[in-house]
Amino acid sequence: GEDVEQSLFLSVREGDSSVINCTYTDSSSTYLYWYKQEPGAGLQLLTYIFSNMDMKQDQRLTVLLNKKDKHLSLRIADTQTGDSAIYFCAGISGGSYIPTFGRGTSLIVHP
Amino acid sequence: DGGITQSPKYLFRKEGQNVTLSCEQNLNHDAMYWYRQDPGQGLRLIYYSQIVNDFQKGDIAEGYSVSREKKESFPLTVTSAQKNPTAFYLCASRLADSSNEQFFGPGTRLTVL
Repeated sequence: GEDVEQSLFLSVREGDSSVINCTYTDSSSTYLYWYKQEPGAGLQLLTYIFSNMDMKQDQRLTVLLNKKDKHLSLRIADTQTGDSAIYFCAGISGGSYIPTFGRGTSLIVHP
Repeated sequence: DGGITQSPKYLFRKEGQNVTLSCEQNLNHDAMYWYRQDPGQGLRLIYYSQIVNDFQKGDIAEGYSVSREKKESFPLTVTSAQKNPTAFYLCASRLADSSNEQFFGPGTRLTVL
């Protein structure tokens, strides 16, 4: 089955850009997602990208997809303290009901 | 407003007791899921259901049971057979449209004393 890998921690200074990286193994993944989880809460979908896209931008968020290297990244511009959370990468293959989640990256934003 | 609700937010039980966690959605989604989250381990799938009256085991189903008698509801029972039940439990649902994204509830934190 699919494996999704993420680094566990990222620390940035407020106002800088954050880049969270993710690698996956299943080349048939059709959708790739980024979710945000604040402490003690459920997961909130931030954005997703279809496999035939290379980039998607939504306000401060930019998703880059390199299908050749099976690498996905989430860039957060002008990172704020409210962005401190755990960010999960997930992928799903066409026809599947079960997405595969990474272990999550804890983003810490300090003044 | 449409969404997924989980209750209670916090649950305390004595060891050896069964406990049922509630999950309700009014999004008209067909598929529903239960995940367990432990620190540093991400999300692990317990059970999922694609349609009413049908459900499948996930990766860590032992010690858990579910039912899907109504489209809106997917309760999870944590039985006394679950060796380490203290965790954060997340319910999700999904509509089979073009983006296939999951919507998550706020979670239930279960502590077994």
